[in-house]
Amino acid sequence: NAGVTQTPKFRILKIGQSMTLQCAQDMNHNYMYWYRQDPGMGLKLIYYSVGAGITDKGEVPNGYNVSRSTTEDFPLRLELAAPSQTSVYFCASRNGVGTYGYTFGSGTRLTVV
Amino acid sequence: AQSVTQLDSHVSVSEGTPVLLRCNYSSSYSPSLFWYVQHPNKGLQLLLKYTSAATLVKGINGFEAEFKKSETSFHLTKPSAHMSDAAEYFCVVTGGYGGSQGNLIFGKGTKLSVKP
Repeated sequence: NAGVTQTPKFRILKIGQSMTLQCAQDMNHNYMYWYRQDPGMGLKLIYYSVGAGITDKGEVPNGYNVSRSTTEDFPLRLELAAPSQTSVYFCASRNGVGTYGYTFGSGTRLTVV
Repeated sequence: AQSVTQLDSHVSVSEGTPVLLRCNYSSSYSPSLFWYVQHPNKGLQLLLKYTSAATLVKGINGFEAEFKKSETSFHLTKPSAHMSDAAEYFCVVTGGYGGSQGNLIFGKGTKLSVKP
């Protein structure tokens, strides 16, 4: 099925550990986004990409890194996990400026202990 | 700068009664506005979107919203609530970081409870 696939769905990390959240889309979308959702809050933008090889920071980028080597994949890297990064992470994609057909992944629930 | 304010953090209605979820926006240009729904432990589903066409927008599952520029509002309504409507609803505007890149700005959400 076409869409945005996020893995893993759940993860528990210890403080200081590292991990990569995977995001892949098969719709040939240029634009991809990473958001985090804290309890009782809306989503906040971490990083975004307008195409392969191009990424930029969003509202809350500290503690994260991204790369976009292909159109399909947009992984999010946590280098030194902290409790403040406990959140639900959503990846999204869309196919171009002026068209707002966003597709969201089902999310990754991350707990840092 | 773009922003959205959802005026109620929690709305409770009885099944079969109307639903009103309120949203005000702020935008320095003509915005695109959305309502998304999130059921517990699920991802986000688009209910409807306004992109400068008709001001009354009809969405899925009987929901609709009216864009009122003079009031900077985009309230979500449904004539008759169903138990399956119980969820978190987010009002969303385009803008923010790299605004021309279509990034989304989310409100804090309104939790809708539906009583039998």
